[in-house]
Amino acid sequence: SQQGEEDPQALSIQEGENATMNCSYKTSINNLQWYRQNSGRGLVHLILIRSNEREKHSGRLRVTLDTSKKSSSLLITASRAADTASYFCATVPMNYGGSQGNLIFGKGTKLSVKP
Amino acid sequence: KAGVTQTPRYLIKTRGQQVTLSCSPISGHRSVSWYQQTPGQGLQFLFKYFSETQRNKGNFPGRFSGRQFSNSRSEMNVSTLELGDSALYLCASSLGTSGGAETQYFGPGTRLLVL
Repeated sequence: SQQGEEDPQALSIQEGENATMNCSYKTSINNLQWYRQNSGRGLVHLILIRSNEREKHSGRLRVTLDTSKKSSSLLITASRAADTASYFCATVPMNYGGSQGNLIFGKGTKLSVKP
Repeated sequence: KAGVTQTPRYLIKTRGQQVTLSCSPISGHRSVSWYQQTPGQGLQFLFKYFSETQRNKGNFPGRFSGRQFSNSRSEMNVSTLELGDSALYLCASSLGTSGGAETQYFGPGTRLLVL
């Protein structure tokens, strides 16, 4: 079953604009990760944020985590056409750490960046 | 380092047949996870292996099985294929040492079509 729900399901913006995607989840987590997928290909890891962290940056990416609201957001600044992809949040449930830990994915946000 | 490799990349089978998919993790990674991606159900966790032992299993019927070898390579098998098994099957590898809070690196996937 899905743990996370991304919002919006689809987002269309112009190059240079910022893109914000949100993710909500249901159970306590060990960590939350964001992945990108281009057109039905493999997933590329973007960023991991632990449950005791509130914000993390990586290049043009900024991720926030609010464990009290069970939500996270991914901000892509100054978007480029090459950012066009589907973005997924994935959580590792709290009770499934260690060698058991598996990712539970949301349904994803399809981002389209127009040149 | 070479990334995660999956073979074959594409596969067409008919109902009732069985199929074996292969995954070679990144050198030094001891953990391999498998995920199924379909348009309807999204990304769903199948199983996770660490040190040749299945550590966690998703909610899939017994027709889905897997194994991991001493060199960390993994195979998954689906017997008695059904039309609904048509999907992109993704393998992910990780070090397996960080208690669940670790990056999983995904392969390009095997696209299976069941006719």
